[in-house]
Amino acid sequence: KAGVTQTPRYLIKTRGQQVTLSCSPISGHRSVSWYQQTPGQGLQFLFEYFSETQRNKGNFPGRFSGRQFSNSRSEMNVSTLELGDSALYLCASSPRGPTSGVYEQYFGPGTRLTVT
Amino acid sequence: GENVEQHPSTLSVQEGDSAVIKCTYSDSASNYFPWYKQELGKGPQLIIDIRSNVGEKKDQRIAVTLNKTAKHFSLHITETQPEDSAVYFCAASIGNYGQNFVFGPGTRLSVLP
Repeated sequence: KAGVTQTPRYLIKTRGQQVTLSCSPISGHRSVSWYQQTPGQGLQFLFEYFSETQRNKGNFPGRFSGRQFSNSRSEMNVSTLELGDSALYLCASSPRGPTSGVYEQYFGPGTRLTVT
Repeated sequence: GENVEQHPSTLSVQEGDSAVIKCTYSDSASNYFPWYKQELGKGPQLIIDIRSNVGEKKDQRIAVTLNKTAKHFSLHITETQPEDSAVYFCAASIGNYGQNFVFGPGTRLSVLP
């Protein structure tokens, strides 16, 4: 099976702009989670989508948003970019089902966002 | 909320020696504990995981132990090889529904030939 893919791999944006990142999960996985990774804060959970609905949300401002499509592909959007948004954005997919329980998740290679 | 501590932050071992990385968590409701290996320029790779109803799990040279009472879990790598050099992260699930994890700050492991 192909792994999680993320596009683009690298991105340079200017403060105040917005950006959209894309993630394709492993085939058959319906859960997609997004994380921000920085040297100072480490890996921080942004949100999780399952069956096109946001199921969990981390402690990030409303400038960070996401969505999931019927084919399970997901996008995240950051509006009004700030210098502190520079980070590696990671997507992870999981075979999680609709009922309770925690499942293993598999990460993509990430998108390196630089805000200048 | 959940907090995960990880020690040591850096670890250097000679090739062939063992390496141990330890994590503690704060939320007694956490029931799933994965370990990830991240190499430079790549995303984290799941290497082993353990659930709260199991005390130990082994996969070839890698093992994980869990002490629920003390809220500790550890990664053990035996017969280390240079390709084991990477940053290792532990994580703990939050609650029992959904894919929401808290990660430790990471351990940079260097295996010296």
